[in-house]
Amino acid sequence: GAGVSQSPRYKVAKRGQDVALRCDPISGHVSLFWYQQALGQGPEFLTYFQNEAQLDKSGLPSDRFFAERPEGSVSTLKIQRTQQEDSAVYLCASSPGPTHTEAFFGQGTRLTVV
Amino acid sequence: AQTVTQSQPEMSVQEAETVTLSCTYDTSESDYYLFWYKQPPSRQMILVIRQEAYKQQNATENRFSVNFQKAAKSFSLKISDSQLGDAAMYFCAYRRRNNNDMRFGAGTRLTVKP
Repeated sequence: GAGVSQSPRYKVAKRGQDVALRCDPISGHVSLFWYQQALGQGPEFLTYFQNEAQLDKSGLPSDRFFAERPEGSVSTLKIQRTQQEDSAVYLCASSPGPTHTEAFFGQGTRLTVV
Repeated sequence: AQTVTQSQPEMSVQEAETVTLSCTYDTSESDYYLFWYKQPPSRQMILVIRQEAYKQQNATENRFSVNFQKAAKSFSLKISDSQLGDAAMYFCAYRRRNNNDMRFGAGTRLTVKP
């Protein structure tokens, strides 16, 4: 596609509910990143994929957070048993490869846990 | 720990004037990248300018330029001839070479007055 696409753009979840956030990276991009951006803050790194391999998940805040990219293209970030502190914008970014410096971002999914 | 510090939560500039946004960072590495990203209300992060630490020459992209002071670990963004469309959140970011974890500052909200 022309850019990184994320869906849904907005998600309201009741506390305790599971959610799944989708990211469609730019076609052919090897690297994929997930970030969490709390209100009024800068994005914080969550996890990184190179093709289908999750090479770095050091930023995932708890074992309720899980990400996958089974075919090396579309990625899903899943949050189980959502809590209010999970409310944030979740940004996805992709880049052509691991040595490429620029990452291209999607518009994010704003998750509100009520 | 926060690696990147933006000390100006908000800045304001008159249209056609020049404004400088500040950023400092903390690292013991010698090889890294620095970035300025713009985030409009649409939430999509847009790369404004990037600097490679081994390059002494300050990067320039049209009306945007940086003042990179490696010894002082300072990386400020100068926007010349400010336009209404420049109004947005601006994030400074740092990334080590061959590392996937991009660290962002807390951001500076830029307002452009007509």
